[in-house]
Amino acid sequence: GESVGLHLPTLSVQEGDNSIINCAYSNSASDYFIWYKQESGKGPQFIIDIRSNMDKRQGQRVTVLLNKTVKHLSLQIAATQPGDSAVYFCAEIYSGTYKYIFGTGTRLKVLA
Amino acid sequence: GAGVSQSPSNKVTEKGKDVELRCDPISGHTALYWYRQRLGQGLEFLIYFQGNSAPDKSGLPSDRFSAERTGESVSTLTIQRTQQEDSAVYLCASSLSRDIYYGYTFGSGTRLTVV
Repeated sequence: GESVGLHLPTLSVQEGDNSIINCAYSNSASDYFIWYKQESGKGPQFIIDIRSNMDKRQGQRVTVLLNKTVKHLSLQIAATQPGDSAVYFCAEIYSGTYKYIFGTGTRLKVLA
Repeated sequence: GAGVSQSPSNKVTEKGKDVELRCDPISGHTALYWYRQRLGQGLEFLIYFQGNSAPDKSGLPSDRFSAERTGESVSTLTIQRTQQEDSAVYLCASSLSRDIYYGYTFGSGTRLTVV
């Protein structure tokens, strides 16, 4: 079935380094993707999105890259800070549906 | 309101009891979703409401689960005869439209523990 998965369940990075969180999706028809951040005890929070007609989108310290050829999505966080420690989910959806499909999530740990 | 509000934030219940979880979506958001998140796992779709249309209940895991929504406001998720496997965080999300490009806004969830 359709699924969104993540390569690394846990990622530890030094404060100040860049982080890269990866996600693979299986539905080539998906045309919209979102990265969510979930801090302990809170609901997922929107970080950045990208449509399938783009391959890169930048926000504040975050960049999402989309490679449709290999159905791969990544989230890059520049100069990782302690406040970035959280679980990050990617989600996919395609036109004609209304349900996002979420992956298991990657836990990002920022080391001081 | 300013965000999606869920109550209670935590609920501990005995096996076999019924529980009711509440979600107040953002005012004006026509779409409302319930998801379940087991410890260390991703988000599992439960049910979707869009305006006055028939809800999509395809994600409800058993007939012990039901949900209602009054118009475009409050929704309640009811779990009858709770089981230990029902222990999870139940997340509610709302969206301005069924247009997928609006994304979701999530509440903080209700952590349900069945003992």
